[in-house]
Amino acid sequence: DARVTQTPRHKVTEMGQEVTMRCQPILGHNTVFWYRQTMMQGLELLAYFRNRAPLDDSGMPKDRFSAEMPDATLATLKIQPSEPRDSAVYFCASGLGQGRDYGYTFGSGTRLTVV
Amino acid sequence: DQQVKQNSPSLSVQEGRISILNCDYTNSMFDYFLWYKKYPAEGPTFLISISSIKDKNEDGRFTVFLNKSAKHLSLHIVPSQPGDSAVYFCAASAGFQGGKLIFGQGTELSVKP
Repeated sequence: DARVTQTPRHKVTEMGQEVTMRCQPILGHNTVFWYRQTMMQGLELLAYFRNRAPLDDSGMPKDRFSAEMPDATLATLKIQPSEPRDSAVYFCASGLGQGRDYGYTFGSGTRLTVV
Repeated sequence: DQQVKQNSPSLSVQEGRISILNCDYTNSMFDYFLWYKKYPAEGPTFLISISSIKDKNEDGRFTVFLNKSAKHLSLHIVPSQPGDSAVYFCAASAGFQGGKLIFGQGTELSVKP
């Protein structure tokens, strides 16, 4: 089965450090999302790309978060500097177009803990 | 501003009975709705979807109902099985927004043997 690969699976870091999360979308998928899961907010959309171009990053705290797609096989989410409130599970998802018939495929997530 | 709301954080049902999970939305521009299932330590997996031009979509034990006038959708699972125990997320998108998915907070379903 094709799958979305996220690395690392777990990350513990100290406040103030830079954190980089990586996502390898399914080959051929042209839409990539970054979501964050928290207890209070459920799944929050942070940013998404189509054909590597950012379509919407309004959900991201701009001063510390950045999302990029250096190429079609890699999406990155960076936090600099990290803060304890950034602790959450970060999910990447990919799909074709608007994913209307079969949704988007999610990775297993990166669990980030900032101490 | 929560555009997609799942007001029940949890639901417990007996094996073999019907599970009904509810979802409300506020944005009338949403034209596509999806349900995802999530097990612990895994990413959400797509379950079933419905277009706003329909009021029902069925796939095996899973049926999604859409009431546009009430801005409400529901997921019915019949019969419920212990393996259905998971967190269920409702999501919505608007075509003009390029397929951006807005999720609810999730409902944790527990199916007891």
